[in-house]
Amino acid sequence: QSVLTQPPSVSAAPGQKVTISCSGSSSNIGINYVSWYQQLPGTAPKLLIYDNDKRPSGIPDRFSASKSASSATLAITGLQAGDEADYYCGTWDSSLTVVVFGGGTKLTVL
Amino acid sequence: QVQLVESGGGVVQPGESLRLSCAASGFTFSSYGMHWVRQAPGKGLEWLTFIRYDESKEYYADSVKGRFTISRDNSRNTVYLQMNSLRTEDSAVYYCAKEGKHFDPYIDYWGQGTLVTVSS
Repeated sequence: QSVLTQPPSVSAAPGQKVTISCSGSSSNIGINYVSWYQQLPGTAPKLLIYDNDKRPSGIPDRFSASKSASSATLAITGLQAGDEADYYCGTWDSSLTVVVFGGGTKLTVL
Repeated sequence: QVQLVESGGGVVQPGESLRLSCAASGFTFSSYGMHWVRQAPGKGLEWLTFIRYDESKEYYADSVKGRFTISRDNSRNTVYLQMNSLRTEDSAVYYCAKEGKHFDPYIDYWGQGTLVTVSS
């Protein structure tokens, strides 16, 4: 059971938009930055978003994210087949004093 | 470019020990904290431990506290994970990872991972 809750799967057609939610609490998302990671099949995770809504260099602006209260959302527009991957949210939990990840969301591009 | 290369994985029996290493390059290792994260087959990411850049503080997940120890050698640009009293449920790919910036929980680079299998 993960501290952060994500839907197990989402799907959408190429070119469409999809959103992935990440629900936490006042001790984690509520007071700390959220980051998002993409894990393509058979590879290590890769940073997509940090500090709630910032993209590292090289990440296309099709990927965006936001945070509100104790929840965060990753949005991917203009879906491509290459976006099929597992997506994880992460943050620090100030009560548990640990890094916490969501359970991951598998994105399928139909 | 940042490179993190893990080594030391393998097959061990329950109750045995293993030490993982992660050699870092492409950045000033002594200026960044380092994490270990694992992923069991077909499962999600599980954060295990973090050590600050200056070794002043370590943090552990409850699942490994008291059994695993993180350490680093800034002169060798290497971070270690000593794993004792291994259990079958510790079987996973183990990733070392670099913090993005101090006091910010994101990870900006990950290694390729090393597989640990605990089986009798």
